[in-house]
Amino acid sequence: AQSVAQPEDQVNVAEGNPLTVKCTYSVSGNPYLFWYVQYPNRGLQFLLKYITGDNLVKGSYGFEAEFNKSQTSFHLKKPSALVSDSALYFCAVRDKGGYNKLIFGAGTRLAVHP
Amino acid sequence: DGGITQSPKYLFRKEGQNVTLSCEQNLNHDAMYWYRQDPGQGLRLIYYSQIVNDFQKGDIAEGYSVSREKKESFPLTVTSAQKNPTAFYLCASKGDSQETQYFGPGTRLLVL
Repeated sequence: AQSVAQPEDQVNVAEGNPLTVKCTYSVSGNPYLFWYVQYPNRGLQFLLKYITGDNLVKGSYGFEAEFNKSQTSFHLKKPSALVSDSALYFCAVRDKGGYNKLIFGAGTRLAVHP
Repeated sequence: DGGITQSPKYLFRKEGQNVTLSCEQNLNHDAMYWYRQDPGQGLRLIYYSQIVNDFQKGDIAEGYSVSREKKESFPLTVTSAQKNPTAFYLCASKGDSQETQYFGPGTRLLVL
């Protein structure tokens, strides 16, 4: 079965430090991977995606993610965290079964402290 | 949140009542989706529609119904058969040549 795991419920980072939010996936074949961010009581905002090509994907707000096929990971990174980055982050993989359903991880809450 | 609107922002349901959540998009997207979000569980697919007048059940369709009479609109009805409806409901859409789903701002449904 296809699945996504976000092993950390919460990540705490000091402002200005680099941040990493982890994601691993289980899917047959080549995955289509996505990161979304959610602020309180808001919808999900698209950050970036990996479909094919370079393993390092750059997205919105200075975020990037590295696709690692051998480790089946797609970790989200940012070189210097901002307090305004504090939010809930979701990793998702497209279901290969069709109709483009997204399979989401449980989410990781990022807290950036001043 | 782009060109996807959801209303109302908050909705209260009484026992035995059906309620309808609105989702409208002006992105000219063919595909539309309804997800349910519960704390600590990520998002789960309720229904999806690839094209007007066609829709399919997702993973947790029991107690819900939808219609797709117009390309722009994909309303979700939470019926009285849904025994645990309290959740945050998110609508999404996707263009034909795209891989990315774009989400609306969500509706929070609460039971009185």
